[in-house]
Amino acid sequence: GAVVSQHPSWVICKSGTSVKIECRSLDFQATTMFWYRQFPKQSLMLMATSNEGSKATYEQGVEKDKFLINHASLTLSTLTVTSAHPEDSSFYICSARPGQELSALHFGNGTRLTVT
Amino acid sequence: AQSVTQLDSQVPVFEEAPVELRCNYSSSVSVYLFWYVQYPNQGLQLLLKYLSGSTLVKGINGFEAEFNKSQTSFHLRKPSVHISDTAEYFCAVSDEYSTLTFGKGTMLLVSP
Repeated sequence: GAVVSQHPSWVICKSGTSVKIECRSLDFQATTMFWYRQFPKQSLMLMATSNEGSKATYEQGVEKDKFLINHASLTLSTLTVTSAHPEDSSFYICSARPGQELSALHFGNGTRLTVT
Repeated sequence: AQSVTQLDSQVPVFEEAPVELRCNYSSSVSVYLFWYVQYPNQGLQLLLKYLSGSTLVKGINGFEAEFNKSQTSFHLRKPSVHISDTAEYFCAVSDEYSTLTFGKGTMLLVSP
């Protein structure tokens, strides 16, 4: 079946540094990828929609200058958390779909970010 | 606007007992409904989905859900749970090409 690979699975960084998270669709081309953030014991909150070859669409309240999204190819989207602070610590999950059908959405295994 | 309400944050149950996880939604247009399972420190896995047709939907791992339009519900059921079913379960709603809106999740705790 379709697989979405997310890397790294966990990362610890110091406050003020930047962290890049990769999301790859391994066996299909994804024109659209989604980035979610999940706080402990809470639901997934959509951060942004990443579109191949164009700018990402951010949800209200998400700082686009802090959470940089790049979707340079049909199989790779990256999320960079810039100048990370402890409050950015969270579980970040990407998802991707081969076409427009929402029912074909596949999720990565997530990245646990801890900012010290 | 769409929203999802999962009425129970946690459901404890004994192994081999039946379980129902409740989900209610609101949407102004036709809906597509999903149930996902999340194991600790992992992403989401699709359990089942309702797009159209039969209101009773069967998914993986023995789970099923019934779409009830009049009650705007999409409750998840399993007749006999296993220890391995312990996980967080998320209900989600969408229209056809929009993004998913997730509920807050229900933690299913299966004990021997």
